Amino acid sequence: GENVEQHPSTLSVQEGDSAVIKCTYSDSASNYFPWYKQELGKGPQLIIDIRSNVGEKKDQRIAVTLNKTAKHFSLHITETQPEDSAVYFCAPSNFGNEKLTFGTGTRLTIIP
Amino acid sequence: DTAVSQTPKYLVTQMGNDKSIKCEQNLGHDTMYWYKQDSKKFLKIMFSYNNKELIINETVPNRFSPKSPDKAHLNLHINSLELGDSAVYFCASSPQTGGSEAFFGQGTRLTVV
Repeated sequence: GENVEQHPSTLSVQEGDSAVIKCTYSDSASNYFPWYKQELGKGPQLIIDIRSNVGEKKDQRIAVTLNKTAKHFSLHITETQPEDSAVYFCAPSNFGNEKLTFGTGTRLTIIP
Repeated sequence: DTAVSQTPKYLVTQMGNDKSIKCEQNLGHDTMYWYKQDSKKFLKIMFSYNNKELIINETVPNRFSPKSPDKAHLNLHINSLELGDSAVYFCASSPQTGGSEAFFGQGTRLTVV
């Protein structure tokens, strides 16, 4: 089965600084690489995703970069704001992947 | 209009009781999941269903029995509740098995006392 790890497990950054979370996976067949944000008391929600034919994707202050050779992808958040405080999960998969495995999670805290 | 809805949001019950959590999605998705999230926030998959058929049972005790009466519903029944069952349970759905976005419900916080 897919082994999915995230680093770091906790991250505190000053408001306005950047944050980077890395996800490493084991299944070389994975071709869909999403990041989810879970706010307190809610379910995880997709914030950005990338497919394996693209190396980088950006949406305003968030970006995802993919290194398929090394089997890792990262979430980048620039100009962090207090509302970015949450737990972030990656969940690499491919079509037909019946077991949707989530990463170990990263708790991001933005310090005002 | 809520895409994936779970009821109840909170459930407090005594050890040994039997309880159910309901989940419905109005997205027309083929695949539905149940996840258990522990106090450390790990999201562990319990069951995957595709078109009402069970496709993954991730070594969950047989006290947990999912039921999918139709493609839009996936309910979770738990018998003989134990203290270790206390967690947040999430239902999710996606258009297909893998390779696409998963949509989560708001979660059900189960507390067994």
